[in-house]
Amino acid sequence: DAGVIQSPRHEVTEMGQEVTLRCKPISGHNSLFWYRQTMMRGLELLIYFNNNVPIDDSGMPEDRFSAKMPNASFSTLKIQPSEPRDSAVYFCASSLGRGFSYEQYFGPGTRLTVT
Amino acid sequence: DQQVKQNSPSLSVQEGRISILNCDYTNSMFDYFLWYKKYPAEGPTFLISISSIKDKNEDGRFTVFLNKSAKHLSLHIVPSQPGDSAVYFCAARANAGGTSYGKLTFGQGTILTVHP
Repeated sequence: DAGVIQSPRHEVTEMGQEVTLRCKPISGHNSLFWYRQTMMRGLELLIYFNNNVPIDDSGMPEDRFSAKMPNASFSTLKIQPSEPRDSAVYFCASSLGRGFSYEQYFGPGTRLTVT
Repeated sequence: DQQVKQNSPSLSVQEGRISILNCDYTNSMFDYFLWYKKYPAEGPTFLISISSIKDKNEDGRFTVFLNKSAKHLSLHIVPSQPGDSAVYFCAARANAGGTSYGKLTFGQGTILTVHP
């Protein structure tokens, strides 16, 4: 299996632009998570999907952030408009079953820089 | 409010010596604890875990200790190897039976450097 696939790996954009991050979970996994990593706060959960349905989006910073999962093999995280403080590494992870099983498989991340 | 804290941003150790990474938590509802390891340009990978009903779990060179009364856990790596150089994240999971459905809360991470 190819593991969790994320694209792009790096994104540099100007403040105010729309940014879309993409994730393909491991085939057969039915839970998907988006995390953000910063130096100050470490890894923070942004949103959790189970069977393509958003279960918990309490970690989404504000209305500028939105996430979708139109099918079991694809999810997007969109930031519109982007701001410099959104600069971080964004990880997608997937797992089997509902909720947080012991092993979440992480993708390589997307490093976002907003200038 | 940071419920899981790793107060040491970095740790430097000589090859062959013991590495001790520490983690403190504040939420008494946490019942399961995990350590993840992350290399540059890669996502975190699961390393070792411990249930709150235990105080120690060992897997090869890696041992995790849990002190519930102190709300503290630590990861010991013996002997340390240069390939262990990575960022280590501590994570905690709340009781799955509650409304939190077992959400993982991560610490900020500790950068471990093992010198040859």
